[in-house]
Amino acid sequence: AQKITQTQPGMFVQEKEAVTLDCTYDTSDQSYGLFWYKQPSSGEMIFLIYQGSYDEQNATEGRYSLNFQKARKSANLVISASQLGDSAMYFCAMREVNRDDKIIFGKGTRLHILP
Amino acid sequence: KAGVTQTPRYLIKTRGQQVTLSCSPISGHRSVSWYQQTPGQGLQFLFEYFSETQRNKGNFPGRFSGRQFSNSRSEMNVSTLELGDSALYLCASSLTLTGVGQQTQYFGPGTRLLVL
Repeated sequence: AQKITQTQPGMFVQEKEAVTLDCTYDTSDQSYGLFWYKQPSSGEMIFLIYQGSYDEQNATEGRYSLNFQKARKSANLVISASQLGDSAMYFCAMREVNRDDKIIFGKGTRLHILP
Repeated sequence: KAGVTQTPRYLIKTRGQQVTLSCSPISGHRSVSWYQQTPGQGLQFLFEYFSETQRNKGNFPGRFSGRQFSNSRSEMNVSTLELGDSALYLCASSLTLTGVGQQTQYFGPGTRLLVL
């Protein structure tokens, strides 16, 4: 079974609009971390935002926020006021602290920002 | 502070050869992980090193190996290359042991390996 599911293979969004990238995860652990990474065409993975399973507040980093719904096992990334430079692949990832600590990535969502 | 560096950035090899990739973590980071990224399989975890010891290993054959040096620099080696080993190999470093609080991994630019 997939541990991380990103249901949107690709998305097209108009510049300046907000965009939500979906991520659901599967774990029986109580302690885990959720991450979002951005991968431009250059290939480098850029860390965007982190949410711990015990964090009560949704994480925010500038234009990025993570909509964490623990009961639904959902960790959607919200990008406000999208920019052309946001066009990239976005990966959701999880680390289960009490297991083998391997970070597991979803298949990714390719985001295209239209001018 | 300099980021994670990987060398070489691009590599072309032929089947049966072996290859060694290098990764220098962010200064002060002691944990280094390696990932293979292919269009078909996505991002897959290879292994993680901390204090020169392998802590975790993904589901890859023994042809894939790695090591970490006392300065936290890491190398991964692939022996007897196969066509399917063509991929982007990413290295990531984090401050300390994984599983303790927020262990964000910071990635290098990757090494693109093409096996002919």
